[in-house]
Amino acid sequence: AQTVTQSQPEMSVQEAETVTLSCTYDTSENNYYLFWYKQPPSRQMILVIRQEAYKQQNATENRFSVNFQKAAKSFSLKISDSQLGDTAMYFCAFMKPSTGGGADGLTFGKGTHLIIQP
Amino acid sequence: GAVVSQHPSWVICKSGTSVKIECRSLDFQATTMFWYRQFPKQSLMLMATSNEGSKATYEQGVEKDKFLINHASLTLSTLTVTSAHPEDSSFYICSAHLDGRGSIQYFGAGTRLSVL
Repeated sequence: AQTVTQSQPEMSVQEAETVTLSCTYDTSENNYYLFWYKQPPSRQMILVIRQEAYKQQNATENRFSVNFQKAAKSFSLKISDSQLGDTAMYFCAFMKPSTGGGADGLTFGKGTHLIIQP
Repeated sequence: GAVVSQHPSWVICKSGTSVKIECRSLDFQATTMFWYRQFPKQSLMLMATSNEGSKATYEQGVEKDKFLINHASLTLSTLTVTSAHPEDSSFYICSAHLDGRGSIQYFGAGTRLSVL
């Protein structure tokens, strides 16, 4: 079974600063997917960024980027130029490919509550 | 595109009654949908995988007779909480896998269930 660990229950930074959220995971799989999801107070889950394990290049999406270290099983999220709207719970998630070629369920970490201060 | 609608957003029921929650993929087909449960200030826990036209696969510890899942079409999965009790009160979230898009899942807005 896979496990996902987020060791920072809460973080607070000033607007426009850069912040890094940490995530480690444990798996015996060689091929898998990693995600960061954002859950604002509305509780709607929003995909922030996705990384495929077989790709060495770190994924980026505008102000969001990851540092994927496969050997260390580490998957941190960096948010640059943080904005007030970035305030939310951030969940790191793991998914292994389904054997049938479809999809498997996600295993989530416990989350990090990120607060962006004005 | 890739919108998942979940209904109702909030339901209050009496202990012993059953509640049905719907999850619809509005603009895409979803052979596979998932149901998660989230307790206050906690993470999401996968309850079951819903496959169109076949029985759902439940995670260890989830009572399949308590949480009935039906995935009768490529755009609709339902979760029925049978004989609900206060301990079933929680936030339930569905997600749908977009066929042909690899790993991506899209989430509904969730349903808050309160059992009195």
